[in-house]
Amino acid sequence: NAGVTQTPKFRILKIGQSMTLQCTQDMNHNYMYWYRQDPGMGLKLIYYSVGAGITDKGEVPNGYNVSRSTTEDFPLRLELAAPSQTSVYFCASSYHGGSELFFGSGTQLSVL
Amino acid sequence: KQEVTQIPAALSVPEGENLVLNCSFTDSAIYNLQWFRQDPGKGLTSLLLIQSSQREQTSGRLNASLDKSSGRSTLYIAASQPGDSATYLCAVENTGNQFYFGTGTSLTVIP
Repeated sequence: NAGVTQTPKFRILKIGQSMTLQCTQDMNHNYMYWYRQDPGMGLKLIYYSVGAGITDKGEVPNGYNVSRSTTEDFPLRLELAAPSQTSVYFCASSYHGGSELFFGSGTQLSVL
Repeated sequence: KQEVTQIPAALSVPEGENLVLNCSFTDSAIYNLQWFRQDPGKGLTSLLLIQSSQREQTSGRLNASLDKSSGRSTLYIAASQPGDSATYLCAVENTGNQFYFGTGTSLTVIP
């Protein structure tokens, strides 16, 4: 049982490049989330999904896009990367609202 | 908008001491509150989940309490060990299924 798996673990992008952060979970969870964590700051919600085909914006969605075509996968797309997107990105999932939240190990992204 | 605050930001204690970490939140309309542990360079691991109707949860040496009306939670760690050194974060889930996180308390347990 792998839980929540994120790839890649590290990535360096040049300004203006695009990339997709992958997230997959094998726990049949309905809810999935993308967060970013900056030094000294709490986790900020980027996007979330309550089921396949349903996505919604969180606190800091600008510069990102998501899709949820299957229950298992919730990729995060960065278009036209900017230095302000340098951060650690975490994917998380839960079975439903009110249940325990499980996290992936994170992707450390630098935009130079 | 929900605001979550954790005090203190950092704490250093000798091994064997009992300690309390604090978490406060501004909006009492929550589904639940969770405490997480984060080791350097790692993801978050859930420690305890307290539903809004509950007052406390226990797991081993950890005990978390919730006072929803006053917007407060505490995480009590008994007989601290060097392996407890990590950052502890609390998060509240609001009725819109979004989680709001505090900035964490960095705990160091000195052998």
